Amino acid sequence: GAGVSQSPSNKVTEKGKDVELRCDPISGHTALYWYRQSLGQGLEFLIYFQGNSAPDKSGLPSDRFSAERTGGSVSTLTIQRTQQEDSAVYLCASSPGTSRTYEQYFGPGTRLTVT
Amino acid sequence: KNQVEQSPQSLIILEGKNCTLQCNYTVSPFSNLRWYKQDTGRGPVSLTIMTFSENTKSNGRYTATLDADTKQSSLHITASQLSDSASYICVVIKTGANNLFFGTGTRLTVIP
Repeated sequence: GAGVSQSPSNKVTEKGKDVELRCDPISGHTALYWYRQSLGQGLEFLIYFQGNSAPDKSGLPSDRFSAERTGGSVSTLTIQRTQQEDSAVYLCASSPGTSRTYEQYFGPGTRLTVT
Repeated sequence: KNQVEQSPQSLIILEGKNCTLQCNYTVSPFSNLRWYKQDTGRGPVSLTIMTFSENTKSNGRYTATLDADTKQSSLHITASQLSDSASYICVVIKTGANNLFFGTGTRLTVIP
């Protein structure tokens, strides 16, 4: 079956512009996670959704970052007024639920470059 | 502070050889530990999930060990293949939380 998909695969934007990154989770997966992977760094947790609600937004690095999920499916991560330090690969993952034993399935990521 | 440290940072081995990757963590309280393989330009793919009570778990040529007392895990790859070239990431999940603590990974290169 289809895995997690993300779009765009690559995004180059000018500093100060807003960007939207999209994640399509595996059908039926209720939990959705966003991570950021900077060059040479480990993955950094940003936010997760259970259904359409986001119980934990603690990882969002600033108020320029926001995310939403509609219909318990697609999620968008929005970065406003992008900065060069926002350049990274943004990974989305989904799982059947939020139990800590559930496997998370990752998408291929969106590579964001802010010039 | 919750940290996950992996070693070595990078490793080059000949095809057919074995290798062992290390993961030390300070995440507490511990729920489970996972090893992921991440090919260049792709998202991570799970290799193993280990809970507190599990010491060893195998998945084909991959064998993971866990010592929850010393907070150490290893991933052993036997009879390496060129396709094993990837980053291997150790991830530790904390009890009571739904986020994951990631190591920075070991970059493995298998050469013919």
